[in-house]
Formats: sequence, structure tokens, C-alpha cells
Amino acid sequence: EIVLTQSPGTLSLSPGEGATLSCRASQSVSNNYLAWYQQKPGQAPRLLIHGVSNRATGIPDRFSGSGSGTDFTLTISRLEPEDFAVYYCQQYGTSLLTFGQGTKVEV
Amino acid sequence: EVQLVESGGGLVQPGGSLRLSCAASGFTLSSYWMHWVRQAPGKGLVWVSRINSDGSYTTYADSVRGRFTISRDNAKNTVYLQMNSLRAEDTALYYCAGGGSGTPSYWGQGALVTVSS
Repeated sequence: EIVLTQSPGTLSLSPGEGATLSCRASQSVSNNYLAWYQQKPGQAPRLLIHGVSNRATGIPDRFSGSGSGTDFTLTISRLEPEDFAVYYCQQYGTSLLTFGQGTKVEV
Repeated sequence: EVQLVESGGGLVQPGGSLRLSCAASGFTLSSYWMHWVRQAPGKGLVWVSRINSDGSYTTYADSVRGRFTISRDNAKNTVYLQMNSLRAEDTALYYCAGGGSGTPSYWGQGALVTVSS
């Protein structure tokens, strides 16, 4: 099983600032099958990014993903009020999918 | 509008069973992989299981393999999760989600399962 470790656990920022979230895998993620999800309190997760850097339908371009192998990054260029949430990375390169433990982006 | 609606959650004693259902509307279930993902109260997301579009392929997290069974009835536009030998650590909100084989993009609002005596 691939273990995903996200850092930091919590990111305290202000609207308009940029955010950089990290996701490190315990082994290489094959085919760069790495995704990012956003979850707000009381809501289901929303797919943001798949295949490391491909935005899902309707996701604004202030969200971008990068990385390869074992190190991946989600960047939010300018935080909007609605971006304060918990973000999870997820790998789907093996038959057993796994999520990271999450990074909370708070004001 | 795509909707996935889970049902069947509730309170069950340790060792008991429950079957969750996920009904889809505005969404042709037969075209997509379907997943179950759970979230314990105040905790992160944990992938549980997935099934391919025709039901011929399934995979499970180690923590539930042998106890949980995912299935689907495309004619009824419904996916199921049969949960047996339930443990306290299975207590969670169970999300049904659909889309790609690894990246579900459509999610329900979840069904709460509480395992307690």
C-alpha cells in the first residue's frame, strides 16, 4: 500500500495569498496517477486535479498541480474566501487507492 | 443534475451487518466505476472499495477485505456495499462516489454507520 504524507497539517493564510501544499508518497506513483480533492465542512469532497496537473471540469485556474514520482504539490495562486477548506491528495496508481491525511487551509 | 443518494446507514452492534445502497439519478451508472469512501468523525478520507462499470472487477482496502462486498445493479442504477462482521472502527460516514477508475468526480452526501453496543 502506498502511504501518502501531506504537509503541513495546517496552513494559516489570508485571502489573496498563495498556498503551497505538499504530498509525498512512500513509493513512486505509477503513471503519475495522483489527484487532489477539496472538502469543506459538512460537504462531500470535490475533485480538483487528476493526473498530477489536470484540472477537473469547472475548477478555476488558480488551482494547479505539479510533481512526479514521489513528490507532488498543489498550488493555489490567490486564495479566495471559498478556498479555505481541507485538501487531500490521493493516488490511484495501484489496485488499492489511498488518500493522504489532509491539509487544512485556514484563515 | 447528477445525484447520488446513499441509504441504509444506522446503528448496529459489533459483529452485525448492514447494507448500504447508492441510487443514482441524472447519471448513467453503467458508464462509470463506482467507489465507496468513508470518513470517521473528525478524521480524513479512507478509500474502501471500487467496482468497474459492468461489475466484473472489484478491489477492497485491506481493512475491509473479506468483510465487505461491493456490487451493482445497473438496471436499477444502484450500487451496494454489504458490510458484515462490523467493528467499532468501521464507524464513519460512508460516501458513494462515481467516475473514473481512480478519480471519482461525483459524490453523494454520505450515509452514517455507527457500530456500538
